[in-house]
Amino acid sequence: DVKVTQSSRYLVKRTGEKVFLECVQDMDHENMFWYRQDPGLGLRLIYFSYDVKMKEKGDIPEGYSVSREKKERFSLILESASTNQTSMYLCASSGPTGDEQYFGPGTRLTVT
Amino acid sequence: AQSVSQHNHHVILSEAASLELGCNYSYGGTVNLFWYVQYPGQHLQLLLKYFSGDPLVKGIKGFEAEFIKSKFSFNLRKPSVQWSDTAEYFCAVSEWDTGRRALTFGSGTRLQVQP
Repeated sequence: DVKVTQSSRYLVKRTGEKVFLECVQDMDHENMFWYRQDPGLGLRLIYFSYDVKMKEKGDIPEGYSVSREKKERFSLILESASTNQTSMYLCASSGPTGDEQYFGPGTRLTVT
Repeated sequence: AQSVSQHNHHVILSEAASLELGCNYSYGGTVNLFWYVQYPGQHLQLLLKYFSGDPLVKGIKGFEAEFIKSKFSFNLRKPSVQWSDTAEYFCAVSEWDTGRRALTFGSGTRLQVQP
């Protein structure tokens, strides 16, 4: 079974802090994704990566950056957290055909 | 940018009732289609998918979905729901012919099944 793990289930940070969300997958997948999930809005794509050191902006990249130094790990960075970034963050990965995505359990981030 | 619409935001059914959740997408090219489910406190998991072939696809737990290309729709159905089907359901689409590997999700439908 594919396993996607995220470093924290719950996180509370203060406005202005730099925040790192880590995601690791164990299936040697090429593609990795970061989404945020908000009530009534579904999942919205923040960033994705096709390969190590490669990244592409999604639909809502503002205020976020990513890092992919190793194939199995994809990090989401909030350079200066703001209250409107309070959300559930979901990481996903998929294989070379890039279709079926496997999701991690999510990190619920609260920025106060 | 492509969009995915789920028209039912919150559905309440009694056990044994039939279910149909609507999903429409905007992309005019070739698509791959998915339904994901998120049970309370659990992570998103794949319910079923359509890539090509028979437009009626069957998934886990008795769910099925029908792709109607002319209507840009991929509706989810189940003949008889159970209390354990209480969850949030998301339709998602990828653009097969552009190679865009990311999914575009609908806003989700919260299903509540009453015993």
